[in-house]
Amino acid sequence: DTAVSQTPKYLVTQMGNDKSIKCEQNLGHDTMYWYKQDSKKFLKIMFSYNNKELIINETVPNRFSPKSPDKAHLNLHINSLELGDSAVYFCASGDPVGQPQHFGDGTRLSIL
Amino acid sequence: GENVEQHPSTLSVQEGDSAVIKCTYSDSASNYFPWYKQELGKRPQLIIDIRSNVGEKKDQRIAVTLNKTAKHFSLHITETQPEDSAVYFCAARKVEYGNKLVFGAGTILRVKS
Repeated sequence: DTAVSQTPKYLVTQMGNDKSIKCEQNLGHDTMYWYKQDSKKFLKIMFSYNNKELIINETVPNRFSPKSPDKAHLNLHINSLELGDSAVYFCASGDPVGQPQHFGDGTRLSIL
Repeated sequence: GENVEQHPSTLSVQEGDSAVIKCTYSDSASNYFPWYKQELGKRPQLIIDIRSNVGEKKDQRIAVTLNKTAKHFSLHITETQPEDSAVYFCAARKVEYGNKLVFGAGTILRVKS
């Protein structure tokens, strides 16, 4: 069983559209994260939720809205997609102060 | 906030040689330092980590050293193999609510056979 799974793996869409990426973890971790990896491979945290509560928000445009229905799920909704949103988005999970973070396989978002 | 610098950005070695990647961090309160390996098109995977109460940690061909005074830590890979070719990321974290990892910019390691 995949520990952190995210869907879809690939997302190709037009500028201006709205899209969602889903993430689920079965590791029993309290904390989940969204990272963005740009074309230069730089990994930057976007959001973190602990037990459904937002605890990190790294000055991401408000077109990005994370939602955590329970501690095992963290979804990312993006409104009005722009060319600069093209990237690979990784979900991860971990404990707030304990265990290392484990990453999902990523969602490659391409904006046409 | 924390800032992590990583060098070199690319590293080519001959199979069997050693590879060393270095990182420096800015926040002296950071106390956890993981290293991730990312193969092309795949997710970052944790390969080794070190906490600030330890100076060195080894796992087979991989070792990490930490110098808290100088605020730098290094990844050492011995007897490199072609399958070690990947992008390696260092990261630093302060133990606080949220477990925020700050990543270095990555090192592309190429092992030539």
